[in-house]
Amino acid sequence: DGGITQSPKYLFRKEGQNVTLSCEQNLNHDAMYWYRQDPGQGLRLIYYSQIVNDFQKGDIAEGYSVSREKKESFPLTVTSAQKNPTAFYLCASSIGASGGASQYFGPGTRLTVL
Amino acid sequence: DAKTTQPPSMDCAEGRAANLPCNHSTISGNEYVYWYRQIHSQGPQYIIHGLKNNETNEMASLIITEDRKSSTLILPHATLRDTAVYYCIVRSTSGTYKYIFGTGTRLKVLA
Repeated sequence: DGGITQSPKYLFRKEGQNVTLSCEQNLNHDAMYWYRQDPGQGLRLIYYSQIVNDFQKGDIAEGYSVSREKKESFPLTVTSAQKNPTAFYLCASSIGASGGASQYFGPGTRLTVL
Repeated sequence: DAKTTQPPSMDCAEGRAANLPCNHSTISGNEYVYWYRQIHSQGPQYIIHGLKNNETNEMASLIITEDRKSSTLILPHATLRDTAVYYCIVRSTSGTYKYIFGTGTRLKVLA
């Protein structure tokens, strides 16, 4: 089955620790995205990548970092500089980055910082 | 800022059509209208999208007004499993390609 996987589903970390969230896709999509969702809110874009070895900041990139060394993988690191890291994190991919290319989402990782 | 306006919540009887409205009065000529839904604690699920013409697929129909300032998502025979938050999004065909999510409409399908 083709799709997007995110692991783990739930993640707990102590304040001040960096944590890396995994996102893998086997859809052969060029573009990948990371979003953050807070309770009762819509999604906000953190970072996106249109092609391997290239990525751009979204609306709320501060305190986050990404890499795109392989087409199928787009890990997100939540650093200690992120003031309010507790949230639901969603990864998505699309065949391209044009306006007509639908994004497909993974199941999400719920991060709780204690 | 979200470029769409949706009612915060709606109820629909099971088996009836659910009509979810969306206002996007500032939409540009090159912006698509997308609909996604999100069931609690899951990733958003793509439903349908369109540019100018009405669209239909196995899940839903999308009706876009002639002036493109509003649209309606139609679930023809709602089931309990359609209970979710529905997001209407406008997305440019150029630039950053990002989706701008609003807070959506919470649809509750009643038995």
